[in-house]
Amino acid sequence: QQPVQSPQAVILREGEDAVINCSSSKALYSVHWYRQKHGEAPVFLMILLKGGEQKGHDKISASFNEKKQQSSLYLTASQLSYSGTYFCGTETQGGSEKLVFGKGMKLTVNP
Amino acid sequence: NAGVMQNPRHLVRRRGQEARLRCSPMKGHSHVYWYRQLPEEGLKFMVYLQKENIIDESGMPKERFSAEFPKEGPSILRIQQVVRGDSAAYFCASSPVSRANTGELFFGEGSRLTVL
Repeated sequence: QQPVQSPQAVILREGEDAVINCSSSKALYSVHWYRQKHGEAPVFLMILLKGGEQKGHDKISASFNEKKQQSSLYLTASQLSYSGTYFCGTETQGGSEKLVFGKGMKLTVNP
Repeated sequence: NAGVMQNPRHLVRRRGQEARLRCSPMKGHSHVYWYRQLPEEGLKFMVYLQKENIIDESGMPKERFSAEFPKEGPSILRIQQVVRGDSAAYFCASSPVSRANTGELFFGEGSRLTVL
């Protein structure tokens, strides 16, 4: 079951904040976040495991609410380099090996 | 340390021809995953392989598609008798151990297949 990401696209000015949501209709074991720039490989950002943890590095952080079956990625004081498409990948069963990705959220950060 | 290498980066085939996509995982990685990406769509899981074994092929179409990861050499995704609907970007990812343990996939830059 493909997770639903919202919004689908956002345009920001440098320094503004953004929140990307990822919701699932099934109970989640883990949520994985990746960023893909146009024509490039997706790059791993972080993984959140069941337990409602929050993670972050630099100005990118994420939360995972397993009761609501959703995760949110927070981009603070966005930089031009944050532009790209953000995908969440969900795992509904520990050790399943298979990530199911959402359709992505396209973020454009302008000067 | 070279990343995941995929070739060709771009491939054009006519309907009915065969497409072979190659993926060399990062050094030391023995787990390979193939994903397909259509325009404006997410990455769709196709198959998970370890050396000489197919572990999960639940995302592979039942016909025309096959994958292998031999003891020596790259992983190969083979599409026989291609149709226009096969046009997509095919991404390979690798990990050093079972992804369930580490969580991180290292992706290649993809092979873009166009079927005329």
